[in-house]
Amino acid sequence: SQTIHQWPATLVQPVGSPLSLECTVEGTSNPNLYWYRQAAGRGLQLLFYSVGIGQISSEVPQNLSASRPQDRQFILSSKKLLLSDSGFYLCAWSLTSGRSDTQYFGPGTRLTVL
Amino acid sequence: DQQVKQNSPSLSVQEGRISILNCDYTNSMFDYFLWYKKYPAEGPTFLISISSIKDKNEDGRFTVFLNKSAKHLSLHIVPSQPGDSAVYFCAAYTSGTYKYIFGTGTRLKVLA
Repeated sequence: SQTIHQWPATLVQPVGSPLSLECTVEGTSNPNLYWYRQAAGRGLQLLFYSVGIGQISSEVPQNLSASRPQDRQFILSSKKLLLSDSGFYLCAWSLTSGRSDTQYFGPGTRLTVL
Repeated sequence: DQQVKQNSPSLSVQEGRISILNCDYTNSMFDYFLWYKKYPAEGPTFLISISSIKDKNEDGRFTVFLNKSAKHLSLHIVPSQPGDSAVYFCAAYTSGTYKYIFGTGTRLKVLA
């Protein structure tokens, strides 16, 4: 069966510090991978998605970047965090066939920027 | 431009009664719809989905209805249980785009 891992679970960082959140998927090959952010009391905002190694699509221009160095690894980064980067970050995966299919989420990372 | 809308931010229902959560969309190209349940500080959990070629899909206590002409879908939970208390998100997808568009969520509280 497929599982998705995210770490760390919680993170408190000062403004201006760098960020690296990691997501890995097990039990499937060539998944589509996604990063979402949920701000307090808000819905899920799609940040990045990837349909293959090295392929990144950005949905919202902002202070963040994403990379996919391996098939089942997706990394969310920032060089300098802003207060507005605080939120709950979710990684997700789906099948890569392009057919309508279900998307599955990881447990999330709570990021607080002070 | 919010393509998927959940206009009720919250809903309270008595235990044992029916919970009806609603979702509206604007993009007629969506061909797959999903409902997720989310507890605080956890990732969303997939509940049920429906293809645009159907108008109803049922899984245990959960039924999703799709009205394509009205661009409206709803999730029915019968009977509602206290453990159903969570935030529910609807999402829509267009084949080949790889992107899922989420609504803003409805917080359901089931009262014992």
